[in-house]
Amino acid sequence: NAGVTQTPKFQVLKTGQSMTLQCAQDMNHEYMSWYRQDPGMGLRLIHYSVGAGITDQGEVPNGYNVSRSTTEDFPLRLLSAAPSQTSVYFCASSYSQRQPQHFGDGTRLSIL
Amino acid sequence: AQTVTQSQPEMSVQEAETVTLSCTYDTSESNYYLFWYKQPPSRQMILVIRQEAYKQQNATENRFSVNFQKAAKSFSLKISDSQLGDTAMYFCAFMKGGITTSGTYKYIFGTGTRLKVLA
Repeated sequence: NAGVTQTPKFQVLKTGQSMTLQCAQDMNHEYMSWYRQDPGMGLRLIHYSVGAGITDQGEVPNGYNVSRSTTEDFPLRLLSAAPSQTSVYFCASSYSQRQPQHFGDGTRLSIL
Repeated sequence: AQTVTQSQPEMSVQEAETVTLSCTYDTSESNYYLFWYKQPPSRQMILVIRQEAYKQQNATENRFSVNFQKAAKSFSLKISDSQLGDTAMYFCAFMKGGITTSGTYKYIFGTGTRLKVLA
């Protein structure tokens, strides 16, 4: 029962570097989302997907790219890291909109 | 656009006592779902309870129950017999109902309430 797996758990980047946060789920969920969590701001939606090949922007998409080539995987790409992207990132999936989301353990990302 | 407001940034409660966390939301939708999630210091996000807007009966899960007031757009969480393990951040979340297509699947989270249970 792996659920939602995020890698890495911690990462430090330099400004301008790029990287990909990985997210995989083994529950055959169609719906997947990426959030960032900042102190005092709750969880803010970056991008989401309602199925393989379909992605859409959330509340704070700038500086991030996603793709969904398979049902299982939903990677988040930082194109050119900026200090403002220092945050904790969560990936989540759900079977349907009426069902609760299952969350990964999060990635703490620091950008210097 | 939907919004979710949690007006209590921090709360504390004595062990074994009851505490209520407030959540209000703004929407023009009639079909939607509401959730409470718990985030302990381990950082995991854990579902506490779920409510479907078309159901008038308040949801309950063991020591956790909600007071869902649809007309007032209020969705408070009551924790009875508080335990030390209830210490966590609690997030209220809104999800629009209806047919899901790209553009409609968006959870809206509140900013959270940090609850501390005191021994």
